[in-house]
Amino acid sequence: EVQLVESGGGLVQPGRSLRLSCAASGFTFEDYAMHWVRQAPGKGLEWISTISWNSGRTGYADSVKGRFTISRDNAKNSLYLQMKSLRAEDTALYYCASDQTNALEMWGQGTMVSVSS
Amino acid sequence: QSALTQPASVSGSPGQSITISCTGASSDVGNDNLVSWYQQHPGKAPKLIIFEVSKRPSGVSNRFSGSKSGNTASLTISGLQAEDESVYYCCSYAHNNTRVFGGGTQLTVL
Repeated sequence: EVQLVESGGGLVQPGRSLRLSCAASGFTFEDYAMHWVRQAPGKGLEWISTISWNSGRTGYADSVKGRFTISRDNAKNSLYLQMKSLRAEDTALYYCASDQTNALEMWGQGTMVSVSS
Repeated sequence: QSALTQPASVSGSPGQSITISCTGASSDVGNDNLVSWYQQHPGKAPKLIIFEVSKRPSGVSNRFSGSKSGNTASLTISGLQAEDESVYYCCSYAHNNTRVFGGGTQLTVL
């Protein structure tokens, strides 16, 4: 079964850091680019970052550039998002998604990040 | 990175057809054919329903179709069914390996 499972979310104070993980199974992870997308409570989808299959190319939304870092470990079938200097506006459900056709084909169920003092 | 523009809501009766527009710029929607559409039911993860403007993933109903003209992409749902009631998002490749979503459109089946 094809599956993406996010983890690492939680409640964190403003200014602190958090690292999200996404475990992939059921497909050849190294063949796919990957993305992180977030959704604030009651709001729409916001694309935040992407990484190519071999980590050679990344991209970030302006809202997270310089604060968030995407990475992957193909040997562990895992995607990561290191988040620093967290702000209240980063509060959201964070999804990972796979991409083989320049679209976000498969999605996890998300992990919730809440930034509050 | 400005969000793509979608109508906040559309509605239609069962059996009818509706179209949702997604307007961007020459730097994103108008720049290539990398527009995709997603359906999101409440409390669920989004689901890809259209990629590369007009292609359907395996298993997606042929009642869903996509097109593009200039800086505006469109999603058409024909033969509306109650189960189509959902929020729909467009997404486009933008510059420097980034993506941008539309604000989402709530479809109500009357």
